[in-house]
Amino acid sequence: RKEVEQDPGPFNVPEGATVAFNCTYSNSASQSFFWYRQDCRKEPKLLMSVYSSGNEDGRFTAQLNRASQYISLLIRDSKLSDSATYLCVVTSGGYQKVTFGTGTKLQVIP
Amino acid sequence: NAGVMQNPRHLVRRRGQEARLRCSPMKGHSHVYWYRQLPEEGLKFMVYLQKENIIDESGMPKERFSAEFPKEGPSILRIQQVVRGDSAAYFCASSPPRGGGNQPQHFGDGTRLSIL
Repeated sequence: RKEVEQDPGPFNVPEGATVAFNCTYSNSASQSFFWYRQDCRKEPKLLMSVYSSGNEDGRFTAQLNRASQYISLLIRDSKLSDSATYLCVVTSGGYQKVTFGTGTKLQVIP
Repeated sequence: NAGVMQNPRHLVRRRGQEARLRCSPMKGHSHVYWYRQLPEEGLKFMVYLQKENIIDESGMPKERFSAEFPKEGPSILRIQQVVRGDSAAYFCASSPPRGGGNQPQHFGDGTRLSIL
């Protein structure tokens, strides 16, 4: 089983739709969780950290479920500019090893 | 803007030559990570360094690849005797000294390596 798993997609959604991505992780001792976005041929950029209580930033909501070992990202009212690959990141281990998922591709269609 | 600086942005080498990729972390950051990304694939972890120490090199190929982060100067990823399969985007990221991987990483623009 991979340390961090994501559905690669692509998710093709119309503008204004709500879309959700899940990411599962295998190490129950994982400590920190993040979502990044990566545009084609660009560097990954931090979208948001994920907290146990869940957190929201505008149209974006992140949730963590430690019991089931997954994190989620919800995007409301999708914009064309949201088209990108969304990377799930999990930190675990004594020195906080960082593991990236392979990403979920989102395409928002006019 | 004192973000993560990588250079060169693009590097072309012929098979058998050496490639040197440089990364200067954000100001105040002492943790550096190198990743490789092949076209249409995800980020692959290569190595995690702190000043003068390699913490985790489990993602580094055993031969031809090496990395360092000296006390002074940038981190260097060195690829000797390059082959076509080394063509990829190489990203560097840094994070602050406290919290290590529990802090989000900040990425440089990457170096696109092309092997002729």
